[in-house]
Amino acid sequence: DIQMTQSPSSLSASVGDRVTITCQASQDISNYLNWYQQKPGKAPKLLIYDASNLETGVPSRFSGSGSGTDFTFTISSLQPEDIATYYCQQYDNLPPKSPLFTFGPGTKVDIK
Amino acid sequence: QLQLQESGPGLVKPSETLSLTCTVSGGSISSSSYYWGWIRQPPGKGLEWIGSIYYSGSTYYNPSLKSRVTISVDTSKNQFSLKLSSVTAADTAVYYCARHMTTVVTDHFDYWGQGTLVTVSS
Repeated sequence: DIQMTQSPSSLSASVGDRVTITCQASQDISNYLNWYQQKPGKAPKLLIYDASNLETGVPSRFSGSGSGTDFTFTISSLQPEDIATYYCQQYDNLPPKSPLFTFGPGTKVDIK
Repeated sequence: QLQLQESGPGLVKPSETLSLTCTVSGGSISSSSYYWGWIRQPPGKGLEWIGSIYYSGSTYYNPSLKSRVTISVDTSKNQFSLKLSSVTAADTAVYYCARHMTTVVTDHFDYWGQGTLVTVSS
């Protein structure tokens, strides 16, 4: 099975700071990587799909990059409303294997 | 605007079967390119995909839960359901239903329900 790791597990930054989270897969997953934001008590929200595509309606300060095993999620200028836990998620749906989705452990982002 | 809403008992006894239903509104569960899935999150922990279903009834499950999971769909009611058997305290979690767009080049969960907490306890 493909394992996902994220770093850091948590971070504190100031409003306006650039924030970067990394996600690493245990094997090559091409660009099959999505990023979600989860605020306390709420459902996750899709921000980035297929490693670098911004979901409709998501602010442009969010971005993603990477392919293969190493991926990066960036908030270019941290805003107070960005306080949340961020999860990467890989998908493995190439036949003949049965599809499988795995989430990373999450990165909690706070305001310093 | 598509909306998903989970419903079902909030308390289940150990060894019994957890049953939840997700009602889809604002769109058809029979739309092509979309699967409908269940994801859970134990309190204070991360997300775990449980399984997914297509409107035709085609299913696939997380291998770690496959022996205990059944997901079904009722297109006439625009609903899909989850059954998880032989539950233990480890199955206590917030259960989310979600839609995922599935094509040959992409697969992502784009709409989520608000989630429902299910506690396993006697």
